[in-house]
Amino acid sequence: DAKTTQPPSMDCAEGRAANLPCNHSTISGNEYVYWYRQIHSQGPQYIIHGLKNNETNEMASLIITEDRKSSTLILPHATLRDTAVYYCIDHSTFYNQGGKLIFGQGTELSVKP
Amino acid sequence: KAGVTQTPRYLIKTRGQQVTLSCSPISGHRSVSWYQQTPGQGLQFLFEYFSETQRNKGNFPGRFSGRQFSNSRSEMNVSTLELGDSALYLCASSLRQGDETQYFGPGTRLLVL
Repeated sequence: DAKTTQPPSMDCAEGRAANLPCNHSTISGNEYVYWYRQIHSQGPQYIIHGLKNNETNEMASLIITEDRKSSTLILPHATLRDTAVYYCIDHSTFYNQGGKLIFGQGTELSVKP
Repeated sequence: KAGVTQTPRYLIKTRGQQVTLSCSPISGHRSVSWYQQTPGQGLQFLFEYFSETQRNKGNFPGRFSGRQFSNSRSEMNVSTLELGDSALYLCASSLRQGDETQYFGPGTRLLVL
């Protein structure tokens, strides 16, 4: 099962940055970290992935620590529509499960006005 | 580029009936995976199709089957429906087989009475 650890819930004020942490202490050298989210009653949505360097796309930024044991997903200006459950996945979980996405408990982010 | 589409979006069936769900992947994507999501079990992998062949299968009974057409569109079928089959059925497309970057459709919500 998922080898990542995330806080169960977080709150964020609208317009402020949301920083979502993830521990993936068992990750090894060539394994990517992936982030997905799921808004209530919708399908999961791919956000971003990274290996070593920090990554940024139109949705978010991903900061990975130098030892790669943890990462932080940053939504720079959170909106009410960012309220969702955010899942951090490491590649070993995906690969060892035969190419199946397995979500852990994730972090339920509530963006408040 | 259009996203993943699934039809129908909502479906009500009775026990013993069968159902067919359809998924059209993103243009150019050749892999389609199917997942079942319920509040109690979370996201569970059903199967993955690539180049019209089932490449990977989850732990579901034989009542659950699928296929993929030459244009990469996919269908899944559930026969002899049970109450426990009530769930959100999600289709995800990706460029390659076993690709961790998967783009999900909105899902088909099935209710079995």
